[in-house]
Amino acid sequence: GAVVSQHPSWVICKSGTSVKIECRSLDFQATTMFWYRQFPKQSLMLMATSNEGSKATYEQGVEKDKFLINHASLTLSTLTVTSAHPEDSSFYICSDMGMGAPTDTQYFGPGTRLTVL
Amino acid sequence: DAKTTQPPSMDCAEGRAANLPCNHSTISGNEYVYWYRQIHSQGPQYIIHGLKNNETNEMASLIITEDRKSSTLILPHATLRDTAVYYCIVRSFSGGYNKLIFGAGTRLAVHP
Repeated sequence: GAVVSQHPSWVICKSGTSVKIECRSLDFQATTMFWYRQFPKQSLMLMATSNEGSKATYEQGVEKDKFLINHASLTLSTLTVTSAHPEDSSFYICSDMGMGAPTDTQYFGPGTRLTVL
Repeated sequence: DAKTTQPPSMDCAEGRAANLPCNHSTISGNEYVYWYRQIHSQGPQYIIHGLKNNETNEMASLIITEDRKSSTLILPHATLRDTAVYYCIVRSFSGGYNKLIFGAGTRLAVHP
């Protein structure tokens, strides 16, 4: 299957700072990337969908000004958590999909664990 | 997208087949059934997907009933490393891209 990397794998930051998480599609060009968040003992929640070269589409209840997503190339999407607070502490996971064909499989990165103090 | 219903947890003895059921009674004709699993503190791993026919790959088999209202994921010889949360997801194709929406999944525990 496709390889998706995330960086960093974990990060600890102070409240009020911003944190950037990178998601890279290593072996194919991903026109679409997805960002999920997972709190302890819960399932994954889709936050937003980003298409290369255009603005991200956010799920209901996700603040677009707080979670900035940039998908500037076919292999890189970034999620910036702005003015992070302890309640933003979570496991953030990205995934990518190829050219959007019906049988395209979505592959996931290893996740980034964010802890906000 | 159609909703899915899975048992919250299952146990399986190592070396035996693990059969994980999924109900998706509202599935429509253009919706695929996908299975992923998530081992603790890792990103989800793709297992298999299908539309109507049964599918098999090196990881598992997917059996879809004729009316497509339910399916079963089969791990033929479960190992301790198969302990994970297994997600059954129905995915439609509309609007250009197709979101995967995760439910609660089934927590499979494989024991010696």
